[in-house]
Amino acid sequence: EIVLTQSPGTLSLSPGERATLSCRASQSVTNNFLAWYQQKPGQPPRLLIYDASTRATGIPDRFSGSGSGTDFTLTISRLEPDDFAVYYCQQVAFSPRTFGQGTKVEIK
Amino acid sequence: EVQLLESGGGLVQPGGSLRLSCAASGFTVNSDGMSWIRQAPEKGLEWVSGIDESDGSTYYADSVKGRFTISRDNSKNTLYLQMNSLRAEDTAVYYCARDEGWEHGHWGRGTLVTVSS
Repeated sequence: EIVLTQSPGTLSLSPGERATLSCRASQSVTNNFLAWYQQKPGQPPRLLIYDASTRATGIPDRFSGSGSGTDFTLTISRLEPDDFAVYYCQQVAFSPRTFGQGTKVEIK
Repeated sequence: EVQLLESGGGLVQPGGSLRLSCAASGFTVNSDGMSWIRQAPEKGLEWVSGIDESDGSTYYADSVKGRFTISRDNSKNTLYLQMNSLRAEDTAVYYCARDEGWEHGHWGRGTLVTVSS
């Protein structure tokens, strides 16, 4: 199965700052079938990005995804208070559809 | 509006069984792929199982293969997860999700399964 490694584990930033989250796959993700989710405490995850760079419906344009092959990035251009949460990447090219371990974005 | 409502969780002894249900509204469960994803307490997400919209093909994580079975009842517009031979490590919140493409576009609120003696 494909192993996804997210870094850093925790990102401490202030509102207004830029957040850059990394997701590295153990083998190439076919067709860049990689998604990003946001999860807040006590809530289910929410789909942010699919196909590595396409924003899901209703997702603000401060969220952007990039990358290909084995290296992918989620960027939040200017953090808003509502963006402090845990972010997961997931590859959906192969079964099982594995998740990364998550990156927590916390208020500095 | 798409809504998913899981039920059937609870406390079960090791080796026991549970059947989770996910009642869907706003769409039909056979029109899209569906998945179960779980999250152990204070841990990350683990994809558990999926079912295709087209031919009903099913897929499982190695950790549950042979013990869990995903199915759907189109007449009740409900997704199920039959869980047998439960282990302590199956303790988690179980989410059902509607797949858009292969991603999980809509999620339910989850149901907690606790496996303990």
